[in-house]
Amino acid sequence: NAGVTQTPKFQVLKTGQSMTLQCAQDMNHEYMSWYRQDPGMGLRLIHYSVGAGITDQGEVPNGYNVSRSTTEDFPLRLLSAAPSQTSVYFCASSYGGPVVSSYNSPLHFGNGTRLTVT
Amino acid sequence: GENVEQHPSTLSVQEGDSAVIKCTYSDSASNYFPWYKQELGKGPQLIIDIRSNVGEKKDQRIAVTLNKTAKHFSLHITETQPEDSAVYFCAATYGNQFYFGTGTSLTVIP
Repeated sequence: NAGVTQTPKFQVLKTGQSMTLQCAQDMNHEYMSWYRQDPGMGLRLIHYSVGAGITDQGEVPNGYNVSRSTTEDFPLRLLSAAPSQTSVYFCASSYGGPVVSSYNSPLHFGNGTRLTVT
Repeated sequence: GENVEQHPSTLSVQEGDSAVIKCTYSDSASNYFPWYKQELGKGPQLIIDIRSNVGEKKDQRIAVTLNKTAKHFSLHITETQPEDSAVYFCAATYGNQFYFGTGTSLTVIP
């Protein structure tokens, strides 16, 4: 049971480049989410999904896109990277079922992707 | 949305002493409060959680208390050990989202 798997672990981009951060979970969790972690700011929600085909914005969505075509995968896309997007990104999932009930169970986190934009 | 404040931002204790981390939240509709421990280079891991219909929960050396009236909850670690050194985050849920505090860096001095 791998849990939540994020790839890559490290990435360096130049300003304006695009890339996709991958996230996969094997726990059949309906709820998946992306956070960024910056020093002194805790974990801030970028986007989340309560099931395949459904996504919504979190606190800091600008500059990021997501899609959820399967229950297992929830990729995060940076279309035109900016230095302000330098951060550590975490994907997390939670058991939810077809009706939103993420508050009933905790988040399971991946080990993160450290992204540097120069 | 919800606003979660966490204090202190850093905490140093001697091995064997207790550590207490406090969080406050703003929305009385929040009903689930997990605590996470993050070790260097890893993702946060759940260490304990509490739901709004419970006032206190214990798991060996770790306990969490919740005061719904005052809208605050606390993490208590007793008999601290060097392996407790990490960053701890509190969180509260509101609607479909988890809202996190800014973290407490705990150092246990041997």
